[in-house]
Amino acid sequence: DTGVSQNPRHKITKRGQNVTFRCDPISEHNRLYWYRQTLGQGPEFLTYFQNEAQLEKSRLLSDRFSAERPKGSFSTLEIQRTEQGDSAMYLCASSPDRISYEQYFGPGTRLTVT
Amino acid sequence: GNSVTQMEGPVTLSEEAFLTINCTYTATGYPSLFWYVQYPGEGLQLLLKATKADDKGSNKGFEATYRKETTSFHLEKGSVQVSDSAVYFCAPTSQGGSEKLVFGKGTKLTVNP
Repeated sequence: DTGVSQNPRHKITKRGQNVTFRCDPISEHNRLYWYRQTLGQGPEFLTYFQNEAQLEKSRLLSDRFSAERPKGSFSTLEIQRTEQGDSAMYLCASSPDRISYEQYFGPGTRLTVT
Repeated sequence: GNSVTQMEGPVTLSEEAFLTINCTYTATGYPSLFWYVQYPGEGLQLLLKATKADDKGSNKGFEATYRKETTSFHLEKGSVQVSDSAVYFCAPTSQGGSEKLVFGKGTKLTVNP
């Protein structure tokens, strides 16, 4: 069990650029979640997938944000036309099933928009 | 949706002191309840959980009991160590069967030798 992995770990971009993050969940976990964490706050939910289906999206996920999980394995989160307010830690988590609700988190991708 | 209120930090204790971090939540229905811990420079780790009323979750000497009547899930440890220094997050699941977690703001704990 290698855990949830995220790439890149750090991303610095200029305002207006597009960025894409990748998350590889724990093998055989069919649920995958994205959260965003800003300094001094707890994580806030963005979206989640069961296999390849995106089942829930937060109001935080504006039309500049899109997430995919094309084959029910890894997922990508894309932010278009980045703004300084997008600077945060983007966290991915995976879960084996609905019964336990246990979510296992990756190390996160820290985004800095200059 | 559900919401959670955590004890404000930071909390500073001496080694071997007793720890309580308060957590209360508002919920419709019966959420599952979690405590996560974030050590310096590391990702969130699941510390313990409870899925129904009166359940006690425990791990690494930490305990928390699901109190439905007071909608609380306070974290306790009888004797903290320097290595317990971290940020602790309380997180119920959201309402209506949603699987998302609703996190508190976190409580930073520093344990001095």
